[in-house]
Amino acid sequence: AQSVSQHNHHVILSEAASLELGCNYSYGGTVNLFWYVQYPGQHLQLLLKYFSGDPLVKGIKGFEAEFIKSKFSFNLRKPSVQWSDTAEYFCAVNANNNDMRFGAGTRLTVKP
Amino acid sequence: GAVVSQHPSRVICKSGTSVKIECRSLDFQATTMFWYRQFPKKSLMLMATSNEGSKATYEQGVEKDKFLINHASLTLSTLTVTSAHPEDSSFYICSVRDRGTYGYTFGSGTRLTVV
Repeated sequence: AQSVSQHNHHVILSEAASLELGCNYSYGGTVNLFWYVQYPGQHLQLLLKYFSGDPLVKGIKGFEAEFIKSKFSFNLRKPSVQWSDTAEYFCAVNANNNDMRFGAGTRLTVKP
Repeated sequence: GAVVSQHPSRVICKSGTSVKIECRSLDFQATTMFWYRQFPKKSLMLMATSNEGSKATYEQGVEKDKFLINHASLTLSTLTVTSAHPEDSSFYICSVRDRGTYGYTFGSGTRLTVV
């Protein structure tokens, strides 16, 4: 079945640690890929997106993601996390110009 | 990018009553809007795709008679939760797709509590 998978449900890191959140999808055809962040009590915000071109995408707040087509992956990374990065992170896929589908989300807790 | 306004942000209603949630695209005309539901500690689940001037397309398992969607204009889509029950308590979010870019902008969400 077509799906978006985020394997890490809850990640706990100390400040300055490096972050990588996994995202895999099973859609074929043309895909547009997104990472959204939801800070506590706030609405969804777009971190970054991939449509085409350079598979390494840089977003806001120092986040980046790499699209690896052969692995159907779009992992999110940040070299050094901060306490303010504590939030819920959602990977999303828009396949073949259809609607957006979300992964289950990963809760990131950064300890000060 | 698009600016999306969702109202109300919070609503508490009695069981059996109906609640209407509005989603407005403030700066461009949206022929398509999406309604999502987010359960606690869960991801967003697409409920339906709202199409201006035509019937909404509902996802499997979503009761169309319970969750009425009206997209009467290019800037407004409404979701009405009819005869609400406590199990309908959730966070409802609308989304608009930016024309031609596949970018999505989300409303700030509506926290519905049915008591």
